[in-house]
Amino acid sequence: QVQLVESGGGVVQPGRSLRLSCAASGFTFSSYDMHWVRQAPGKGLEWVAVMSYDGINKYYADSVKGRFTISRDNSKYTLYLQMNSLRPEDTAIYYCAKESHSNPNYYYDMDVWGQGTTVTVSS
Amino acid sequence: DIQMTQSPSSLSASVGARVTISCRASQGIRNDLGWYQQKPGKAPKRLIYAASTLQSGVPSRFSGSGSGTEYTLTISSLQSEDFATYYCLQHNSYPYTFGQGTKLEIK
Repeated sequence: QVQLVESGGGVVQPGRSLRLSCAASGFTFSSYDMHWVRQAPGKGLEWVAVMSYDGINKYYADSVKGRFTISRDNSKYTLYLQMNSLRPEDTAIYYCAKESHSNPNYYYDMDVWGQGTTVTVSS
Repeated sequence: DIQMTQSPSSLSASVGARVTISCRASQGIRNDLGWYQQKPGKAPKRLIYAASTLQSGVPSRFSGSGSGTEYTLTISSLQSEDFATYYCLQHNSYPYTFGQGTKLEIK
């Protein structure tokens, strides 16, 4: 079955870096755009970033632009999120999510989500 | 950026009640709207896509409607397992944006 498993979360000091991974299985990973979405404690969902199926196009939320980098390795069926210059407000559960269609000419919603990995930024 | 205004932020209702949750987009989003359910400690679950299409396996008491800038999620007869938080998501353009969420609680 289609599955996404995030890893790499932890406790980190402000200003430090962390890299999250999302291992995909059960679908042709290289055909789908992939997203990161986060949720701060007790708060709503916030879209973070997307990378196109071929790794060429990427977009970010303003809140992370210039600090976070999304990437993927299609041969390893893995999505990444490199998070630099972390701030306390980056504390959240980070979910990776698969876009629902493989059409590169349109934007679709997300149909499959991982269980999330928790990032805590604190001194 | 497209802003999504979701209402109400919380809702108290009884089992068997009919409830409606709304999302308003700051500009037209051409039905590029999904609804998600999230239970505590769990990842969001897709309920509705393309504004009104029911995700496979989701009970038919859930329905979506709307067009342009106004969208609605309706639960026709609440069941105990429906008490959760609901979010809308616009995917018409980047950055994608979620509504603020509606927490549905048992009366």
